[in-house]
Parts: sequence; structure tokens; C-alpha cells
Amino acid sequence: DAKTTQPTSMDCAEGRAANLPCNHSTISGNEYVYWYRQIHSQGPQYIIHGLKNNETNEMASLIITEDRKSSTLILPHATLRDTAVYYCIVRVASNGGYQKVTFGTGTKLQVIP
Amino acid sequence: DVKVTQSSRYLVKRTGEKVFLECVQDMDHENMFWYRQDPGLGLRLIYFSYDVKMKEKGDIPEGYSVSREKKERFSLILESASTNQTSMYLCASSPMRSLGPQHFGDGTRLSIL
Repeated sequence: DAKTTQPTSMDCAEGRAANLPCNHSTISGNEYVYWYRQIHSQGPQYIIHGLKNNETNEMASLIITEDRKSSTLILPHATLRDTAVYYCIVRVASNGGYQKVTFGTGTKLQVIP
Repeated sequence: DVKVTQSSRYLVKRTGEKVFLECVQDMDHENMFWYRQDPGLGLRLIYFSYDVKMKEKGDIPEGYSVSREKKERFSLILESASTNQTSMYLCASSPMRSLGPQHFGDGTRLSIL
């Protein structure tokens, strides 16, 4: 699986959009981009994933650059409950059923009142 | 909703003890995973299993073993606990279909004295 690079930490004002970047310059054609977040004292929670098109769900939007070497997770109106560590990972779409997934250290997002 | 349940939130054991961490999922997922999480190191994969009685080593399997006798249950075993195994342990499951995200339990904080 490709390696990802994320900033260690970011701040965002409550009510503003939080834009979390991720670099994955060695991503291959069959690898998807996934985002998870981990709120303090809980396990990681799935947010969204995509291949090359932009994706949106009730939690967030995912913007993937045309060359697929980077992506941005957007929380449109950040709240204090969005304070968490956000993980960007890439993984193959199919590898014989195995789903070994490697998490890095993520970005610690602090939403400020 | 998928529920991944870890048997204990907090556990204290002594050096040399054999320790069992239990994880149960209720969504009939084929894949199950054990991670440990340490400050500054992110999540590291210990073992994963893609079927009953099947297991694969992750990135840091040394000092650990696993058991998957039933589809819904995946156990992590510390054969002879050591202080460097003090950590947060996270269990996850996911469906066999390749794009299914992982669902995590809330973790077991294990302290080895």
C-alpha cells in the first residue's frame, strides 16, 4: 500500500470549513483513498473513500486531484465534536480478499470555539 | 450499525502473565484485525484474519498470537506479557468485499506492571 503524508496538526474555527490535506504521491491506479477519524477514547471511525472522482456524504467531502497524488478532506462546518485525529490511508481495491491497511500518525484537528 | 465489542476497556496484568484480549463483531464480517496504538507511532497492525482459523502476520507480530475459532470472535494472546506491551489495543472488522471500510471497537487500554 502507498505511503501517505499528513500535517501533524491543524486548527479550525468553529463553523468554518476544515480542509485536511493528504499527500499520496506513490498511489497506484487500483488504490483508493480512505479517511477515518479517531475521537479521544474511541476507536477510529470511517468517514469516506474515493478513487478519482470527488465524493460527498453526510459527514464530509473528499476532493482528489486529477493526478491522484493528493487529496483533501473537507468538513464543511466544523463543530467542537469534530476535534479528533484524522487518518488518510490508501489501499488496493482488490488483493485476493486480504485487506491489510496501514494507518500513519494522522492529523490532529483542533476545532476552536 | 456494525458493532465491534472488545471485552475490556481497561486491563492491568503482571509481567510474565498470559493475557487474552477478546473481540466480537456482529455483522458477519470475514476480516478481523488487531492493532496497537502508541503515542507518536499511530496504529500498527499486529495480526489479521480473513477467515475462521486463518491468520496473517501484520507489521509487529512478535510476542503475540491470535485465535479465530468462530467467525465473529478474534482473540489476541500475549503469551508472556512484558512491560513494552503496555498499549492501547484496537480490534477491527470488515467485510470480504474489497471496498468495505473497517469498523473498530473502542479499544482496550492494557497496562503491564
